[in-house]
Amino acid sequence: TQLLEQSPQFLSIQEGENLTVYCNSSSVFSSLQWYRQEPGEGPVLLVTVVTGGEVKKLKRLTFQFGDARKDSSLHITAAQPGDTGLYLCAGDPYYGGSQGNLIFGKGTKLSVKP
Amino acid sequence: GAVVSQHPSWVICKSGTSVKIECRSLDFQATTMFWYRQFPKQSLMLMATSNEGSKATYEQGVEKDKFLINHASLTLSTLTVTSAHPEDSSFYICSARETSNTDTQYFGPGTRLTVL
Repeated sequence: TQLLEQSPQFLSIQEGENLTVYCNSSSVFSSLQWYRQEPGEGPVLLVTVVTGGEVKKLKRLTFQFGDARKDSSLHITAAQPGDTGLYLCAGDPYYGGSQGNLIFGKGTKLSVKP
Repeated sequence: GAVVSQHPSWVICKSGTSVKIECRSLDFQATTMFWYRQFPKQSLMLMATSNEGSKATYEQGVEKDKFLINHASLTLSTLTVTSAHPEDSSFYICSARETSNTDTQYFGPGTRLTVL
């Protein structure tokens, strides 16, 4: 069974600080997605990374897919209270993307205090 | 962007009744939809994979006779919780996999089910 270990599970920081969330696995994923979820709502897709070593930027968020496609990171620069939420990584475990049963990390609950 | 809707957004029912939740892809076709369950402060747990025109594939430990899934069209999947009990109370979320872009799943807003 493929697993995605996401860390840290909880993170409370002050506005303006930087942070990094990690997702690691011993297995290869064909793609990996990052979502943000607010209480009582469904996850909202932030980014999909597909190529090993790929780096994508979304304003103050930087996403990286490991060279071996087994890990990924999300880095937020100068965090703001609006960044508060549950961040989920999810990997597609089937090389070639034929099934799409995503494997989810346990999530990182981020709280940014003003 | 791709939009997935769920209806209802919340429902309260009595123990023993059945509840149907709809999941629709509004602006794209989805041959595959997924149903998840999420407990407070936890990640999503995949319940089943719904394929248009065929039987759903259930994850281990999920009762297929209790959680009935129907995927009758390329834009609609339904989850029916039969004979609901308080332990079925949860946040149910669906996602849809765009047929032309198999790398990405788009999630619905979720349905909060409370069984009294």
